[in-house]
Amino acid sequence: DVKVTQSSRYLVKRTGEKVFLECVQDMDHENMFWYRQDPGLGLRLIYFSYDVKMKEKGDIPEGYSVSREKKERFSLILESASTNQTSMYLCASVRLRGEKLFFGSGTQLSVL
Amino acid sequence: QKEVEQDPGPLSVPEGAIVSLNCTYSNSAFQYFMWYRQYSRKGPELLMYTYSSGNKEDGRFTAQVDKSSKYISLFIRDSQPSDSATYLCAMSADQAGTALIFGKGTTLSVSS
Repeated sequence: DVKVTQSSRYLVKRTGEKVFLECVQDMDHENMFWYRQDPGLGLRLIYFSYDVKMKEKGDIPEGYSVSREKKERFSLILESASTNQTSMYLCASVRLRGEKLFFGSGTQLSVL
Repeated sequence: QKEVEQDPGPLSVPEGAIVSLNCTYSNSAFQYFMWYRQYSRKGPELLMYTYSSGNKEDGRFTAQVDKSSKYISLFIRDSQPSDSATYLCAMSADQAGTALIFGKGTTLSVSS
């Protein structure tokens, strides 16, 4: 089975801190995604990457950046964390878009 | 009109009931349709995957796609308390298209 691993399950950070969320997949998938999930708003796409060093903005990229230096790893960076970035962050990967998307367990981030 | 509409519920049923979950969509280019199940504080896991129109059955779960009506359904037979979760529909246009578009999820509670 595909495994998508997110480095932290729970994270508490202070306003203004730089935050790194890491995601690793073990199935050599080309495409990787970062979503955030909030009650009543569903899953919203932040950024995605279809190849190493490539990235595309999703629906809500403001306040975030990403890094994909290796195929298996996709990092989400909050340059200066704010309270409105408190959310569940989900990483996902897929070999080809349109195929089955596999999710990690999520990181619940609280920004105080 | 939102691209994907899904009734958020909550939906409460007794054990053994037949459950029907539905999504409507507006983009006639969608070809790939999926249902994800998400337990509390976990990442979504793929439940059913369907390409184009028709039915697909897997154990107690049946996925239906009616492209003429732009309507997809997930049926759960003999529902169990372990089926209590949030169910997300998701769809995409083609393999080279954009990332999956998700519904906001329907929360299901099955009581014993």
